[in-house]
Amino acid sequence: EAQVTQNPRYLITVTGKKLTVTCSQNMNHEYMSWYRQDPGLGLRQIYYSMNVEVTDKGDVPEGYKVSRKEKRNFPLILESPSPNQTSLYFCATTSPAGELFFGEGSRLTVL
Amino acid sequence: AQSVTQLDSHVSVSEGTPVLLRCNYSSSYSPSLFWYVQHPNKGLQLLLKYTSAATLVKGINGFEAEFKKSETSFHLTKPSAHMSDAAEYFCVVRNTGGFKTIFGAGTRLFVKA
Repeated sequence: EAQVTQNPRYLITVTGKKLTVTCSQNMNHEYMSWYRQDPGLGLRQIYYSMNVEVTDKGDVPEGYKVSRKEKRNFPLILESPSPNQTSLYFCATTSPAGELFFGEGSRLTVL
Repeated sequence: AQSVTQLDSHVSVSEGTPVLLRCNYSSSYSPSLFWYVQHPNKGLQLLLKYTSAATLVKGINGFEAEFKKSETSFHLTKPSAHMSDAAEYFCVVRNTGGFKTIFGAGTRLFVKA
C-alpha cells in the first residue's frame, strides 16, 4: 500500500529542546515536502526536496532544517523549538503527475 | 507569482442541497489546480485535479470543478450534499513542471440534517 508515514503523531515538548519529526515514503517519488497547518492560514510549505541531497526553502523555513540523505526519508528538524512552532505538520510526496500524497500529520505543542 | 483565494471561510448547506465552494487563483504560468479534502483529525485526500485537459473535471464522491481561465476561477460543486461531506476543503495551485505548491486558506463545509 502506498504510504507516507510520519512520527511522532503527537508531541509535547519545551522551548529549546531539539526534536526531529521523521517522514518516510514507499512510493519512490523524488519530490518531498513539509507543510505546517495553522487555523485560517491553510497549509504553508516549509521546505521541499527535489531529490537526494537537493533541498530548498519554502515559504516559512525559519526555525527548521531538513535533510535528504536517501530517497525515502525526509526528516524535519527543529533545533531550538519555540511556542510559535506549535502547529500541525504534514509531510507529502508529489507524484510525476503533480498529485500530493500526505502523511497523517504530526501535532506538535511547544511549551 | 502564484496565489490562491478561497472566497468563503465557512459554507453551510442542508443535506440534499447543492454545494458551491469558490476558488480564485493567480498564476504567471499554465497552472495545475487541485481540490483536497481534510476530514477532522485526518490527512488530506485528493478530490480532483485540472492539468490543462478538459475544463470540467470530475472527482471522487460526486464532486466536480470547472476551470475558467477568463475568470481565473476553479470552483468546486456537488449537486447534493451528504452529511459525510462535512470537512475542510483546500484549493491548491501548482505551476506545471514547477515545485512551488500554494494552498488556499481552506473552506469549512457544514452540512445540516
